[in-house]
Amino acid sequence: AQTVTQSQPEMSVQEAETVTLSCTYDTSESDYYLFWYKQPPSRQMILVIRQEAYKQQNATENRFSVNFQKAAKSFSLKISDSQLGDAAMYFCAYRSFPRDDKIIFGKGTRLHILP
Amino acid sequence: DTGVSQNPRHKITKRGQNVTFRCDPISEHNRLYWYRQTLGQGPEFLTYFQNEAQLEKSRLLSDRFSAERPKGSFSTLEIQRTEQGDSAMYLCASSLDRVAKNIQYFGAGTRLSVL
Repeated sequence: AQTVTQSQPEMSVQEAETVTLSCTYDTSESDYYLFWYKQPPSRQMILVIRQEAYKQQNATENRFSVNFQKAAKSFSLKISDSQLGDAAMYFCAYRSFPRDDKIIFGKGTRLHILP
Repeated sequence: DTGVSQNPRHKITKRGQNVTFRCDPISEHNRLYWYRQTLGQGPEFLTYFQNEAQLEKSRLLSDRFSAERPKGSFSTLEIQRTEQGDSAMYLCASSLDRVAKNIQYFGAGTRLSVL
C-alpha cells in the first residue's frame, strides 16, 4: 500500500522569505501523480501544484516549486516570497496512474507566516 | 462554475441519530468522491462514483455508511446510528475524467459533531 509522510507538523516563515515543506512517500508503482494541496482555515482545499512521476523536470507554479527525487521518493514544496495568504495547512498527496483514482494524503504541515 | 457545494456546513447530532450530507459537484463532472478528515489528519478516501455507479468503497466505510448518486449529479452520504468516532470533516470532491489532468476539486466540507 502507498503511504505519504510529512514529518513537519508545523513550520513558520517570515513574510517575503522562502520556506521548504518536506514530504516522502512509499510506493512500488512506477507511474503516479504527486500533489501539494493547500487548506486555509475553514475553507476548501485547493491544488497548489502537481507532478507526474514520469517527468524528470520539476513542476513550478509562480512562487511554488517542487523538488521531486523519484529514487529517494521525496517530494518537497518550496514557497518563495512568502505572503500572509500562504498561511494554511499543506498536504502532500499521491495518486496512482492510471488505474486508481483515490488520493492518499499525508497528515499535513501547518504553515505560519510571520509579518 | 460555482465549485463543489456541500450542505450543511456544520451538523451537530446526538449519538445514535442518523445524519445525511449532500454534495453538489461542479457541473458536468462525472466523478464524485467522498473523503473523511479527522482532527490532525489528512483526508482519507471513503468512496467514489463515476456517474451514478459507485466504483470503489474503502474499508473505512462501515455498514452504517451509505452513499448514493442517483442521477449522476448530486450525491448524499448517510450515516446511521452515529457514534462519537464519526465526528469529523466530510469532504466531497469532483473531477472530469475525460480530460488528461483529471484534477479533483474539493468542497468546503461538512463538519459533523456527535455528542
